Amino acid sequence: IQLTQSPSFLSASVGDRVTITCRASQGISSYLAWYQQKPGKAPKLLIYAASTLQSGVPSRFSGSGSGTEFTLTISSLQPEDFATYYCQQLNSYPYSFGQGTKLEIK
Amino acid sequence: EVQLVESGGGLVKPGGSLRLSCAASGFTFSSYSMNWVRQAPGKGLEWVSSISSSSSYIYYADSVKGRFTISRDNAKNSLYLQMNSLRAEDTAVYYCASRTGGFDYWGQGTLVTVSS
Repeated sequence: IQLTQSPSFLSASVGDRVTITCRASQGISSYLAWYQQKPGKAPKLLIYAASTLQSGVPSRFSGSGSGTEFTLTISSLQPEDFATYYCQQLNSYPYSFGQGTKLEIK
Repeated sequence: EVQLVESGGGLVKPGGSLRLSCAASGFTFSSYSMNWVRQAPGKGLEWVSSISSSSSYIYYADSVKGRFTISRDNAKNSLYLQMNSLRAEDTAVYYCASRTGGFDYWGQGTLVTVSS
């Protein structure tokens, strides 16, 4: 199953609302997770089951979607949110990740 | 506190072998499926392999099938990845990760460099 994220690069300012889209090449129900990765660090789970916020993750992060189209929304960007974001499908093996979306400061 | 600590990375020649280890603590290791994910320098994440809690189910990415072997020792709270016939394209940081809803806990990663 191929996952395509858009955009691949995103430039935004602190306080902005941003949305990242992940499209699956076939239906994956709600078996989608979102991760945040900062340079030199391991990825961090933000959302699983498409819309369930991982414990400890700020509520400005939200996820939605099912089937083949999913979104990650950050309601008000904070300085610590500038990072690369990946979606991952866990519907069937081989598990796959999207190519990533790099969120940069405008 | 949950901790996953990878070890065993290093420099190896093409065609060589390496065994990665992941030591787990702070959670009931034997109850969770475990995974290896890698990231080539400057590239995105690539799922490598998964193993169920009792080792009954094992899966590999096509890119490593037949060359890598995942295993675990629940008595030692440890996960392993035996990597044989290594290629330049296997150069990456290798992470172990546990899974509940998603890959919720990750180690810090261990760098594998395949070069002559």
